[in-house]
Amino acid sequence: LAKTTQPISMDSYEGQEVNITCSHNNIATNDYITWYQQFPSQGPRFIIQGYKTKVTNEVASLFIPADRKSSTLSLPRVSLSDTAVYYCLVGRNTGGFKTIFGAGTRLFVKA
Amino acid sequence: EAQVTQNPRYLITVTGKKLTVTCSQNMNHEYMSWYRQDPGLGLRQIYYSMNVEVTDKGDVPEGYKVSRKEKRNFPLILESPSPNQTSLYFCASSLSAGVRSNEQFFGPGTRLTVL
Repeated sequence: LAKTTQPISMDSYEGQEVNITCSHNNIATNDYITWYQQFPSQGPRFIIQGYKTKVTNEVASLFIPADRKSSTLSLPRVSLSDTAVYYCLVGRNTGGFKTIFGAGTRLFVKA
Repeated sequence: EAQVTQNPRYLITVTGKKLTVTCSQNMNHEYMSWYRQDPGLGLRQIYYSMNVEVTDKGDVPEGYKVSRKEKRNFPLILESPSPNQTSLYFCASSLSAGVRSNEQFFGPGTRLTVL
């Protein structure tokens, strides 16, 4: 399983775009990159998943460069309710489902 | 409504008293997993199950047991709880294959205190 590295915390203001970068130098060919969001005392919630290039859904975009050694979660126009911990995970879709959550990035959105 | 449920949500117990935390999902998912979350340590995987009767250890399995006799249920058993198992526990499930198999659905959590 590839180890991931993220910033411990980030601050932003309402209405700004926030980009959180995750480093995963040892990503394997079959690995996907998945991001979760977690609010205090709640279970993590899936945000987005990708394999390469760019993926966009209704809440976020995920940018993955060609070498796939890093990825960037982009949250457009954040609001106070986006204050949460964001986790980047790298893992395969087949075989054992050993999952490793890193420490995550604590995003604090200010008014 | 598609969901993962856990019971109880809160539990205070004493050292050595066997307990079971239940987890159930109604999405016909093959994969289920248990995590514990402690301040400063993030989420750590305890056990996971690929399907009925198939379970495997995660990163911190010591002191825990699981069983998967039915697809929808994945109980976590603490045979002899100790204070270092005081934690917030999450159960999760997902499809086992396909592009979305990394999308895990988490339960609401069980806050366990062992005195």
